[in-house]
This record gives sequence, structure tokens and C-alpha cells, in this order.
Amino acid sequence: AQSVTQPDIHITVSEGASLELRCNYSYGATPYLFWYVQSPGQGLQLLLKYFSGDTLVQGIKGFEAEFKRSQSSFNLRKPSVHWSDAAEYFCAVDFTGTASKLTFGTGTRLQVTL
Amino acid sequence: EAQVTQNPRYLITVTGKKLTVTCSQNMNHEYMSWYRQDPGLGLRQIYYSMNVEVTDKGDVPEGYKVSRKEKRNFPLILESPSPNQTSLYFCASSGSGGDYLTQYFGPGTRLTVL
Repeated sequence: AQSVTQPDIHITVSEGASLELRCNYSYGATPYLFWYVQSPGQGLQLLLKYFSGDTLVQGIKGFEAEFKRSQSSFNLRKPSVHWSDAAEYFCAVDFTGTASKLTFGTGTRLQVTL
Repeated sequence: EAQVTQNPRYLITVTGKKLTVTCSQNMNHEYMSWYRQDPGLGLRQIYYSMNVEVTDKGDVPEGYKVSRKEKRNFPLILESPSPNQTSLYFCASSGSGGDYLTQYFGPGTRLTVL
């Protein structure tokens, strides 16, 4: 069955430290991959997406993600975290290829300590 | 400004009292979806629509109805709400233009059913 896994429910990092949030999916082919961020009380904002081509994609707010086909992973990274990055992060996958449905991971809540 | 709007943003109701949550997008998108977000479960799709008068069930359609009479609007109807439908609801849209396959989300509607 197609599924999306975010193994870390909660991560705490110090401001200025690097960040990596993990995302794995279960699927035979390469799907379309997304990362969204949800700040407290807010909706979902698209950080970045991968459809094809260069496996390292750049997004907004200094985030990047790397697609690794061999590991079925699409991990989100940021070299230096800011306190304003505290939020919940969702990996989402379009297994349909038609924009009709996203399958979401359960989310990773990021806490940033000063 | 390109956006997806939802109303109301907050709603408290009682079991069995019919309600409608409206969703509207101004991007001329073909695809629209409804998701619900519950703690520890991420977002799950309720219904989606590929165009006017074309709708289909997502993963958790029980207890919900939708209609798509106009391209810009996609209301979510709960004809007899129950407490297990207490959740945060998001509407999303995507189109066939330059941002094909990318879903944009509304601000969310927090529903409490007593």
C-alpha cells in the first residue's frame, strides 16, 4: 500500500543549528513530493516540491530537500534554524500523478530553543 | 491575490445540526479537495473534484457531502454532524497551469461538534 512516513514526531534544535526532517514513502515508482509547513493556528504553506530532474531542490525560507530514489526518501534540510521556523512540517506525496490527491505523513513538530 | 478562502474559520455546533463550510478559489483551478487534520494522523482527504459536476470520494468520506456547481466553489456539507467530526478542515485547489500538480490550501476551519 502507498504510504508516507515521518518517523520523528517531535524534534528540538537550538537556534543556529542545522536541521534535517525525514520523510520516506512506499511506492514502486517515483511520485511527486512536497513539503508543507504549518505555523501555529495557520494553514499550510508550500515549502518546496519535487517532480523530476535535479534531486536537490531549493525552497522558500532557506529550506532544501533531497530526493533519494534508492532510499525512497525526501528529507528536508536547513543549514541554520531560526526561532521563527518553529512549526509543524508535513511531507506529502502525490501517488496519482494527477493533482487529485495528496497523501500526508503524520507531521514533525519542530521546537527551536534559543 | 491568488488564494483559497474558507468560511467560517471557527464553528461550534451540536450533534445533528446540518452545516456547510464554504470554500472558494480565485485561481481558475480545476481540482479542489477537502481534507481533515487530526492529531497524530496528519491530513486525510475527504472528497475531491476534478471539475464542475465531477466529484469523488477520498479516504474518509463517511458523513460528508460535497457539490461542485461552479468552478470556483466547493462546499463541504455535514448533514448530521457527530462529535467524531470535530476536526480542523482544509480546502485545497490545484490547476493545469504553470503550477500544475501543486495544491494550495485555505486557512482552515476549526469545527467542534458537541
